[in-house]
Amino acid sequence: AQSVSQHNHHVILSEAASLELGCNYSYGGTVNLFWYVQYPGQHLQLLLKYFSGDPLVKGIKGFEAEFIKSKFSFNLRKPSVQWSDTAEYFCAVNGDKLVFGAGTILRVKS
Amino acid sequence: DTAVSQTPKYLVTQMGNDKSIKCEQNLGHDTMYWYKQDSKKFLKIMFSYNNKELIINETVPNRFSPKSPDKAHLNLHINSLELGDSAVYFCASSQGTSAFYEQYFGPGTRLTVT
Repeated sequence: AQSVSQHNHHVILSEAASLELGCNYSYGGTVNLFWYVQYPGQHLQLLLKYFSGDPLVKGIKGFEAEFIKSKFSFNLRKPSVQWSDTAEYFCAVNGDKLVFGAGTILRVKS
Repeated sequence: DTAVSQTPKYLVTQMGNDKSIKCEQNLGHDTMYWYKQDSKKFLKIMFSYNNKELIINETVPNRFSPKSPDKAHLNLHINSLELGDSAVYFCASSQGTSAFYEQYFGPGTRLTVT
């Protein structure tokens, strides 16, 4: 069975701080990995995705994520956050169905 | 143009009632989904339809009945509503069933059962 674990439920950062959100998954087969973001009052939207190839993937708004197969991890990073990055971030794994982590609420203080 | 739309956005109803939530996508996708997000924010898949055929049914109580009149619509009907049904329900769509495809989500319907 697939499962996804996000390490932090709440993260508070000041503007310009660096961000790393942890995500680990378990699944026996080939996976496709996603990070979705939900800004306040908006619907879920795709931030970035990994299917194959270069394990470092770049997404929108300066976000990137690194797939480390040996660690079953797909951590999300951004070198310098902005106030507008305040949102909830969901890691998701698609093996035989899309399974989401519990989400991480990021608050960026201006 | 809204890609995936849901109505209503909010739904407050009493236990025992029957209610429906509608979903429409204008992306030309073949596959549609219903997800439930509980109070702890866990998003879990409930159903998936591909070309109007049910392909995923995740041990959801049979009080929940999805209906797909055509590829662009996937409605969710809930009978005999219970307190535990209170949640946010998200509709989504994708080009196909492959895990490769990104899913596009609707704005959600917040259901409150009193």
